[in-house]
Amino acid sequence: DAKTTQPPSMDCAEGRAANLPCNHSTISGNEYVYWYRQIHSQGPQYIIHGLKNNETNEMASLIITEDRKSSTLILPHATLRDTAVYYCIVRVATYNTDKLIFGTGTRLQVFP
Amino acid sequence: GAVVSQHPSWVICKSGTSVKIECRSLDFQATTMFWYRQFPKQSLMLMATSNEGSKATYEQGVEKDKFLINHASLTLSTLTVTSAHPEDSSFYICSAPRTGGVEAFFGQGTRLTVV
Repeated sequence: DAKTTQPPSMDCAEGRAANLPCNHSTISGNEYVYWYRQIHSQGPQYIIHGLKNNETNEMASLIITEDRKSSTLILPHATLRDTAVYYCIVRVATYNTDKLIFGTGTRLQVFP
Repeated sequence: GAVVSQHPSWVICKSGTSVKIECRSLDFQATTMFWYRQFPKQSLMLMATSNEGSKATYEQGVEKDKFLINHASLTLSTLTVTSAHPEDSSFYICSAPRTGGVEAFFGQGTRLTVV
């Protein structure tokens, strides 16, 4: 699976949009971009995934560049409960019988 | 939705003893489960893949005789840390993907402290 690069930390004001970038310049054509987050001392939580097109669900939006070498996770209205470590992962399969390899992630701090 | 449960949430044990951690998929069957370890302020490191009905697959550098994995049924995998030492103190997390699903479900984690 391709390697990802994320900034180690970011801050965001409550109520504002949080934009978390991820570089995956070596991504292959059949690899998907997944985002998970981990709130302190809990197991990771799935957020969203995509291949080429932008995706949106009740939690977030995922913007993937046309060349697919980078993506941005957007939390439209960040709350204090969104404070967590966010992991960007690229992997071949959508079916989760394959393992997830976590990088270092971005520690997002949402402040009042 | 699907839920994965780990037990215990935390455990303290003495050096040299063994500790068993359970991972259960509560409303779906999981032929494959994954075990991770996480040290403070670090990312999750995959330890092994647990396969129902067959031997677990361990990642490079993980001692299979020290971290025993048993996937006894389609809803239960166990990780036993044998002859625990203080350096084994860590946060252990399991994951159980639902076959055909797009997301992996994680347990709440088990914090192991070896004294």
